[in-house]
Amino acid sequence: QQQVRQSPQSLTVWEGETAILNCSYEDSTFDYFPWYHQFPGESPALLIAIRPVSNKKEDGRFTIFFNKREKKFSLHIADSQPGDSATYFCAASGASSSFSKLVFGQGTSLSVVP
Amino acid sequence: ETAVFQTPNYHVTQVGNEVSFNCKQTLGHDTMYWYKQDSKKLLKIMFSYNNKQLIVNETVPRRFSPQSSDKAHLNLRIKSVEPEDSAVYLCASSLDREGGTEVFFGKGTRLTVV
Repeated sequence: QQQVRQSPQSLTVWEGETAILNCSYEDSTFDYFPWYHQFPGESPALLIAIRPVSNKKEDGRFTIFFNKREKKFSLHIADSQPGDSATYFCAASGASSSFSKLVFGQGTSLSVVP
Repeated sequence: ETAVFQTPNYHVTQVGNEVSFNCKQTLGHDTMYWYKQDSKKLLKIMFSYNNKQLIVNETVPRRFSPQSSDKAHLNLRIKSVEPEDSAVYLCASSLDREGGTEVFFGKGTRLTVV
């Protein structure tokens, strides 16, 4: 069962453009939605996260948009830079659950072309 | 330095052998995990340990077993490796067992089964 779906699988944008990565989830008890990025040869690291109390979270060039009704959330990377090229994973977990379990999407490979 | 440390970085072994991977975290976290990342970069949780208790055990083959001596250590043993076990195994930790907090990953152990 795939609880978190991510698209597109790969994305190429020009430097300066906004990259948009999308995720959807099924479990309505999920209430924590982070995005991780993974550079080649590195391990995943937290980029930004949101909780459903708000529908938008910004951190510099990175913004999460959250739609609770549609169970969707997206990551927007404004003014994309070649250094942003990496694999991005959305994830979800239920803070109200007794188990700590972060479910990851399939990943989006982002390439930013100079 | 506080982080999640894994050994070895790489391991090549033959089908049917037993392997063991070590993981230590110096972050003072309560929960540790093992994730498997396959060649398509899919991240799947294998085990989760909180205070030496197994709290998440996904449907992994029985040849895999986690081993913990204390909350700072979580090792992974594979009794008789198979070709499909070739992957990167990522150890991780988080502060609490109820999710909703950042998960910190180690650099991973790349297993190749020949």
